[in-house]
Amino acid sequence: DIVMTQSPDSLAVSLGERATINCKSSQSLLYSSNNKNYLAWYQQKPGQPPKLLIYWASTRESGVPDRFSGSGSGTDFTLTISSLQAEDVAVYYCQQYYTTPFTFGPGTKVDI
Amino acid sequence: QVQLQESGPGLVKPSQTLSLTCTVSGDSISSNNYYWSWIRQPAGKGLEWIGRIHNSGTTNYNPSLQSRVTLSLDTSKNQFSLKLNSVTAADTAVYYCATNPPNGNWFDSWGQGTLVTVSS
Repeated sequence: DIVMTQSPDSLAVSLGERATINCKSSQSLLYSSNNKNYLAWYQQKPGQPPKLLIYWASTRESGVPDRFSGSGSGTDFTLTISSLQAEDVAVYYCQQYYTTPFTFGPGTKVDI
Repeated sequence: QVQLQESGPGLVKPSQTLSLTCTVSGDSISSNNYYWSWIRQPAGKGLEWIGRIHNSGTTNYNPSLQSRVTLSLDTSKNQFSLKLNSVTAADTAVYYCATNPPNGNWFDSWGQGTLVTVSS
């Protein structure tokens, strides 16, 4: 299985400031034939299912605010919230879909 | 996007079989290139992908659960189902059904989740 790790476990950011979450995979998620990274990011608020934010490591899902951005390649990825809003308080997960079993990172809790 | 809704017993006894159904609306479960997945989340913990089924009937299971899991489709009801046998307290979790778009294996549609507790 591909093991996903995230750092930090939690972080507190002031409103309007930048939040950065890191995700690392135990093997490369870059598929050479199409030069795409098979990584997604989700946001989960209490009592709700995860919400897709980003796929292909950097493509924002329709309707997701542009303050959310994804970057990285291979085994190291980053989710950045450029200007934290109160509604962004949540747990964020990365997920690899390079191969089954699909696996998720342990999550990073973002608070104000 | 499709809408998904889980249903099933909220309490299962140890050693018995957990059975859940996901009802799909907004699209046909028989649509090509859709995979229908189950994902679970113990309270306060992370997400674990259980497995998926394609409209052709092809399945992929998480090896950690493969010996106990069966997924199936009911196209007449536009539903897909999960059976997990020989459950223990470690199987207590919120269970989500989810699906991915035709062009990728990320999960863009999720049910609201249903809590299943394993207890005598």
